[in-house]
Amino acid sequence: EAAVTQSPRNKVAVTGGKVTLSCNQTNNHNNMYWYRQDTGHGLRLIHYSYGAGSTEKGDIPDGYKASRPSQENFSLILELATPSQTSVYFCASGRDIYAEQFFGPGTRLTVL
Amino acid sequence: QEKVQQSPESLIVPEGAMVSLNCSFSDSASQSIWWYQQHPGKGPKALISIFSNGNKKEGRLTVYLNRASLHVSLHIKDSQPSDSAVYLCAVSMPGGNNKLTFGQGTVLSVIP
Repeated sequence: EAAVTQSPRNKVAVTGGKVTLSCNQTNNHNNMYWYRQDTGHGLRLIHYSYGAGSTEKGDIPDGYKASRPSQENFSLILELATPSQTSVYFCASGRDIYAEQFFGPGTRLTVL
Repeated sequence: QEKVQQSPESLIVPEGAMVSLNCSFSDSASQSIWWYQQHPGKGPKALISIFSNGNKKEGRLTVYLNRASLHVSLHIKDSQPSDSAVYLCAVSMPGGNNKLTFGQGTVLSVIP
């Protein structure tokens, strides 16, 4: 089965600090995605990537950057973390259009 | 931007009952519609998808799509306590990147 891992699983950060969330997939999928999940909002797309070196803005990209240095790795970067970015973040990978997305276990981020 | 609405917000049923979950979307140009299952503390996992009008059956799951009314439903036959989870409806838009827009989810509890 497709495998997506995320690190760290839990993170407490201070307001104004820099946070990097990492995602690794061993599926050789071209597409990777970062979502956040908040009560009442469901999953919302932050950034996505078609392959190594590419990043695209999703529906809520403000305050976030993304990096795809290789096929396997996709990072989400919060340069100046704010309390409103407290959430659970999920990474996902997918082979191509119409294919299912495989999700990681999530990272719970708390910004104090 | 695509909007996806799910109903009901939550549902409690006895073991063995038929479960019906609803999802409405706003754009008739949507491509595939996916249903994901999410257990507490886990990432979402794809259950079933549909592209064409009509219905699709896989095991205890049946999904119905009516593009004219912008509505899709998921039916779970002979529900089990292990089916207790959040069910997420997701709609993919044309564009070649399989971006998904998720609904807010339905919380299902199956009581033994």
